[in-house]
Amino acid sequence: SYELTQPPSVSVSPGQTASITCSGDRLGDKYASWYQQRPGQSPVLVIYQDTKRPSGIPERFSGSNSGNTATLTLSGTQAMDEADYYCQAWDSSVVFGGGTKLTVL
Amino acid sequence: QVQLVESGGGVVQPGRSLRLSCAASGFTFSSYGIHWVRQGPGKGLEWVAVIWYDGSNKDYADSVKGRFTISRDNSKNTLYLQMSSLRTEDTAVYYCARDRCSSTSCYDFDYWGQGTVVTVSS
Repeated sequence: SYELTQPPSVSVSPGQTASITCSGDRLGDKYASWYQQRPGQSPVLVIYQDTKRPSGIPERFSGSNSGNTATLTLSGTQAMDEADYYCQAWDSSVVFGGGTKLTVL
Repeated sequence: QVQLVESGGGVVQPGRSLRLSCAASGFTFSSYGIHWVRQGPGKGLEWVAVIWYDGSNKDYADSVKGRFTISRDNSKNTLYLQMSSLRTEDTAVYYCARDRCSSTSCYDFDYWGQGTVVTVSS
């Protein structure tokens, strides 16, 4: 079965740029989506089709996908961005990465 | 505004059954596929099942295939998940989530409910 691998944790200072990676075999040939989940809340879609932002998602969220790696980038990270982030793709079935806890120090 | 409200969770013994519901409002329910996604305690997200907008296609994760059944009633704007032969590893928060695309499935999720908790324990 297809697998997506994320680092368990990423730390960033306020105002800096955070990058969260998601690795999978030939992931660049598929569409990647990203979800933000704050503690005790439901997930929120922040990036779909590799690079697109749903309405209401700040411009500081951006995405890319090439080769075996998709990346979620947060520019000018804010304290409110502290959350778990999950990548997701479809390969004959829906697959989620294990999640990355973003800490804003 | 789009709303998805799950219900039906609770504590159930291993081997027993439970039915979850997801009531939808704020959009044309019959135009969108809906998914179930679960999250075990302290764990990540796990996709469970999908049903297309018209009920014509259904798909399940291997972990629930043959035990869970997804269905919908477009006249009631409601999605269901019938869970049978429950196992302790089915313990999770169960979310219903709308597929982003109408009249097909894009297999990503633009709106999520608040979740309902299922605990399988003797």
